[in-house]
Amino acid sequence: KQEVTQIPAALSVPEGENLVLNCSFTDSAIYNLQWFRQDPGKGLTSLLLIQSSQREQTSGRLNASLDKSSGRSTLYIAASQPGDSATYLCAVSDDYKLSFGAGTTVTVRA
Amino acid sequence: EAGVVQSPRYKIIEKKQPVAFWCNPISGHNTLYWYLQNLGQGPELLIRYENEEAVDDSQLPKDRFSAERLKGVDSTLKIQPAELGDSAVYLCASSLGQTSGGQETQYFGPGTRLLVL
Repeated sequence: KQEVTQIPAALSVPEGENLVLNCSFTDSAIYNLQWFRQDPGKGLTSLLLIQSSQREQTSGRLNASLDKSSGRSTLYIAASQPGDSATYLCAVSDDYKLSFGAGTTVTVRA
Repeated sequence: EAGVVQSPRYKIIEKKQPVAFWCNPISGHNTLYWYLQNLGQGPELLIRYENEEAVDDSQLPKDRFSAERLKGVDSTLKIQPAELGDSAVYLCASSLGQTSGGQETQYFGPGTRLLVL
């Protein structure tokens, strides 16, 4: 069974600091890895999807890397803003099934 | 383009009562998913539909949970009877269902927050 772990569980940083969120998974036989954002009381919004053959994906201030052989992914958020405060979840795909981590709750202080 | 719509957004019921959740996926999306999210955890898949067919219901507790997707569009998830441990957020998601191998992004609705007293 795929196990996905996210460390740290919570993170608080001052505005402008770069964020580094970590995700690890136990089974490297994945199709892709996705990073989602979840705001309180809301659903999940997909931020980035990295195919298993790719090493990284970028969208604006967000950059996600994938090292499938070591079972790790990192999400970088540059120059954090208060609006980045949310819970970030990573999920790995085994065919259509997504296995999620518990998330990292980020607070960006103004 | 409208996103995934779920209703109700919140539901409070007493244990042993029945409850139903409704989901309308993004237009044109053939694949529909129901997830359960407990507090402080990531979502866990309950059931996946390809059009009107339930192709993966291995994680659905069939003694009390049921789901249907008539005509391959809207879907309903039902719990009867509800137990205290069913208190959670129930998320619906959809994807195009045009490619294989988990290549597609899943789009999530806002969820239904259930509290069983």
